[in-house]
Amino acid sequence: EVHLVESGGGLVQPGGSLRLSCAASGFTFSSYWMSWVRQAPGKGLEWVANIRQDGNEIYYVDSVKGRFIISRDHTKNSLYLQMNSLRAEDTAVYYCARCWYYGSGGDVWGKGTTVTVSS
Amino acid sequence: QSVLTQPPSASGTPGQRVTISCSGSSSNIGTNTVNWYQQLPGTAPKLLILNDNQRPSGVPDRFSGSKSGTSASLAISGLQAEDEADYYCGAWEDSPNGYVFGTGTKVTVL
Repeated sequence: EVHLVESGGGLVQPGGSLRLSCAASGFTFSSYWMSWVRQAPGKGLEWVANIRQDGNEIYYVDSVKGRFIISRDHTKNSLYLQMNSLRAEDTAVYYCARCWYYGSGGDVWGKGTTVTVSS
Repeated sequence: QSVLTQPPSASGTPGQRVTISCSGSSSNIGTNTVNWYQQLPGTAPKLLILNDNQRPSGVPDRFSGSKSGTSASLAISGLQAEDEADYYCGAWEDSPNGYVFGTGTKVTVL
């Protein structure tokens, strides 16, 4: 069965850093684009970043460019999101999603990990 | 990046048909396929419709998608209590490159 499990969320102060992980299982991780999508409390979905199978093509939403880095490790079947210079507006549940191509959004989603940026 | 526009709410009684609209532009819906997601309370989103009008395996045929120009629609026929959820459309946007979601529609079963 296909599974995505996020981890690494928590409470962090403004300006701080956090690294999210997403462990994939049940499919050939190296064959898919992957995404991070977030949802602020009581708000809608916001796409954050996409990464191609080989890691050489990456896209970010404007609000995180220069602060967040998406990456992947095929030896660990894992997706990562390094979040730096965190702001209160980054507070959200972060989901990882498997994409069947770069523009597909996601066909399989994890349950999410919560990031709270507050002093 | 743009945001796709959806009505904030929709409702119907059991058995009725409900339609949700999703309005975009030539840089997103006008040139790329639309996907729809269902988010039940307290859970992760689930893919409901892909590539404008295709249902993934396991999605009931009560759910259907369509697209015309820069707008798309999701229809729920034979509305059931378990359909009460938030629904989001989504599409890739060219220039700047990125995925955009709709504003979301809360469906209430009366």
